[in-house]
Amino acid sequence: EPEVTQTPSHQVTQMGQEVILRCVPISNHLYFYWYRQILGQKVEFLVSFYNNEISEKSEIFDDQFSVERPDGSNFTLKIRSTKLEDSAMYFCAGQGPGANVLTFGAGSRLTVL
Amino acid sequence: AQTVTQSQPEMSVQEAETVTLSCTYDTSESDYYLFWYKQPPSRQMILVIRQEAYKQQNATENRFSVNFQKAAKSFSLKISDSQLGDAAMYFCAYGDRDDKIIFGKGTRLHILP
Repeated sequence: EPEVTQTPSHQVTQMGQEVILRCVPISNHLYFYWYRQILGQKVEFLVSFYNNEISEKSEIFDDQFSVERPDGSNFTLKIRSTKLEDSAMYFCAGQGPGANVLTFGAGSRLTVL
Repeated sequence: AQTVTQSQPEMSVQEAETVTLSCTYDTSESDYYLFWYKQPPSRQMILVIRQEAYKQQNATENRFSVNFQKAAKSFSLKISDSQLGDAAMYFCAYGDRDDKIIFGKGTRLHILP
């Protein structure tokens, strides 16, 4: 069964460094999402992306965050200057046209020191 | 590897009636968590209910309750007295002690007036 693939599975970085998390959705996916889960807390919506632009974003998704899908395949989340509180699991999800299902990736764990 | 299966892509229920959403999972761990998340059109992920695997008592939150069958690896969600605001995607999820979380593909719930 097709999967949403996320890399890296775990990244450790120093505070202030830039981080890029990558997601490869299933080929027919049109809608893309990033969520995150801070350790021990609930899953939070960050951003949704459709037709090469952000369709919706949460308050968490400030100027330090950006998303893009430059090559029509990889969907990336960039954190420009990481803070300690950015440490979390980041989940990518994709959705096909007219589909009721949202397929999540396995997540990328980000640890900011 | 752990898996989460939601076998019902869509369900409908009459307002004020009771509906049960199915979820099965597979793991070799004995200590883990299970969750039901609700995703309304806003795309936010709302934690509906959380169950710790070591607790035999089924978790309840107002009109929401679960039937947790550890041996059968089943974790169904029952919504009593369904309301129009319950219409959403519902995701079953498995989480381990390392905060790894795996989502099912979701069940879209329609509430019929």
